[in-house]
Amino acid sequence: EAGVAQSPRYKIIEKRQSVAFWCNPISGHATLYWYQQILGQGPKLLIQFQNNGVVDDSQLPKDRFSAERLKGVDSTLKIQPAKLEDSAVYLCASSLVGSAGTQYFGPGTRLLVL
Amino acid sequence: RKEVEQDPGPFNVPEGATVAFNCTYSNSASQSFFWYRQDCRKEPKLLMSVYSSGNEDGRFTAQLNRASQYISLLIRDSKLSDSATYLCVVKAFGNEKLTFGTGTRLTIIP
Repeated sequence: EAGVAQSPRYKIIEKRQSVAFWCNPISGHATLYWYQQILGQGPKLLIQFQNNGVVDDSQLPKDRFSAERLKGVDSTLKIQPAKLEDSAVYLCASSLVGSAGTQYFGPGTRLLVL
Repeated sequence: RKEVEQDPGPFNVPEGATVAFNCTYSNSASQSFFWYRQDCRKEPKLLMSVYSSGNEDGRFTAQLNRASQYISLLIRDSKLSDSATYLCVVKAFGNEKLTFGTGTRLTIIP
């Protein structure tokens, strides 16, 4: 069974530029999560979708971050404009509805903002 | 106070030894508890759930103390392949959100 796919794997941009990340969850997983993991810290939830609806985006910096999951399958996360402190690994995860404890993570996108 | 607190380590432990990690959580309404493992530069993966009665999975034992809001993970007969960061994870009642601790870094020394 294919796992969670993410692209790109690495991205280097300058501050104030824009960047977008893509995620394709495991087939059949209605719940999709985007996390930010800063070096030395645990993953922090940015946004959670169930199908194409947002369940929780309380920790998403909405002035610069946006995310969508238009058809309830794959998702994009965008940062515009990027700041130095956005340098992190952006992890996408998916789970079956009601099984939040068992999340399957993608390999992540490593973002470096210069 | 952080929602989930862990000793970041690092723990450097000789192969074959027993090692224990602790974790505390601040939200008394927390419902479910997990340990995830994250290898260097890799994604987190579920290691095991933590049940109120305690549970074992091979060399790994997880325990929960709801009164003290405390979770532990014990690894017996540690192997070189156990070297990783262990993330304590808590889920609150009524939602699907997981809160991760900062992780405890473990290195098993030959």
